[in-house]
Amino acid sequence: KQEVTQIPAALSVPEGENLVLNCSFTDSAIYNLQWFRQDPGKGLTSLLLIQSSQREQTSGRLNASLDKSSGRSTLYIAASQPGDSATYLCAVEGGNQFYFGTGTSLTVIP
Amino acid sequence: GAVVSQHPSWVICKSGTSVKIECRSLDFQATTMFWYRQFPKQSLMLMATSNEGSKATYEQGVEKDKFLINHASLTLSTLTVTSAHPEDSSFYICSASVPGLLGEQFFGPGTRLTVL
Repeated sequence: KQEVTQIPAALSVPEGENLVLNCSFTDSAIYNLQWFRQDPGKGLTSLLLIQSSQREQTSGRLNASLDKSSGRSTLYIAASQPGDSATYLCAVEGGNQFYFGTGTSLTVIP
Repeated sequence: GAVVSQHPSWVICKSGTSVKIECRSLDFQATTMFWYRQFPKQSLMLMATSNEGSKATYEQGVEKDKFLINHASLTLSTLTVTSAHPEDSSFYICSASVPGLLGEQFFGPGTRLTVL
């Protein structure tokens, strides 16, 4: 069974810093990997989708990479802002099912 | 951990019919449930937010009259796709939010809908 792990569970950084969130998965047979943002009491907001044939995707200050062979993905956030404070989830799709990570709670300190 | 179930796991229906998908929180009460859908090779996208006892809040571009959401109890929310068309074929997934500051969401296994 696929297992998705995110490290760290929580992260606190001063505004302006670049940061990396990590996601690892145990089964490399995936269709895609997605990164989401979750604000308290809100639904998930999709950030980036990486197809299994791709290695990275970029959107603004966000860059996500995928290394299927090692079962890893990273989400890079450049020049962090207080508005980036949220929980970040990664999810892999495989076997007609989604497997979500446990999330990283990010706090960006002004 | 908290468990969320969905039923059915997959369904095939004819165009013009209605399909109901159930989302249940099995071992906790969920004041808020979310419905998402994913079209092939696209991201999982939020459709609506469902709060127990009140009307659902739909995201822009989601037709509330087509996707009827009922959250009549703290453990059950239903999504009914009315007059389904082939373009409604998608993967639908729900999540239930645990009350509290962090609002952690627990996800159901999803429902694959195919409209012929």
